[in-house]
Amino acid sequence: EPEVTQTPSHQVTQMGQEVILRCVPISNHLYFYWYRQILGQKVEFLVSFYNNEISEKSEIFDDQFSVERPDGSNFTLKIRSTKLEDSAMYFCASLQGALIGAQYFGPGTRLTVL
Amino acid sequence: DQQVKQNSPSLSVQEGRISILNCDYTNSMFDYFLWYKKYPAEGPTFLISISSIKDKNEDGRFTVFLNKSAKHLSLHIVPSQPGDSAVYFCAASARETSGSRLTFGEGTQLTVNP
Repeated sequence: EPEVTQTPSHQVTQMGQEVILRCVPISNHLYFYWYRQILGQKVEFLVSFYNNEISEKSEIFDDQFSVERPDGSNFTLKIRSTKLEDSAMYFCASLQGALIGAQYFGPGTRLTVL
Repeated sequence: DQQVKQNSPSLSVQEGRISILNCDYTNSMFDYFLWYKKYPAEGPTFLISISSIKDKNEDGRFTVFLNKSAKHLSLHIVPSQPGDSAVYFCAASARETSGSRLTFGEGTQLTVNP
């Protein structure tokens, strides 16, 4: 069964460093998402991406964040200068069709900022 | 952000009995609702969804009920099995106004005792 994959599973970085989280969505899906879950809090939407551009972003997704689909399979989230409060689980998700249907999530990347 | 709320942080049931997980929402623009199951160190796994034009959707042991007037949905699992023990999240989207971004509840930890 096709699934969303994410790498790395755990990333440790120093405050102020750049990190890139990688995702491979399900191959015939058209919409891609990043969410995050800070320990003990809700899963929060960050950004959605369709047709090679951002379709929606939350107030969390400020200038420090960017997303890219550098080739036909990868979808990346970059944090330019990490802060302590960026420590969280980051989940990638993909959706097959036009805004209808279930988003399928990857296993997540645990980001720890020291 | 209290738009989707799961008031019970935990629920414990006996194997073979019915599990009922509840979710309330406040945003009347939400028109698509989903339930996800999550094990530790894994991403959310899609279980079942319902559109606002329906009041019930069933898939095997899982049934979701939607009461639009009360802004309430519930997930019924019958019969419950020990392997169902996980955190269950409800999520909602308002496709007309905010695309397909999902807004999550806090989650309910379900424990099914053998």
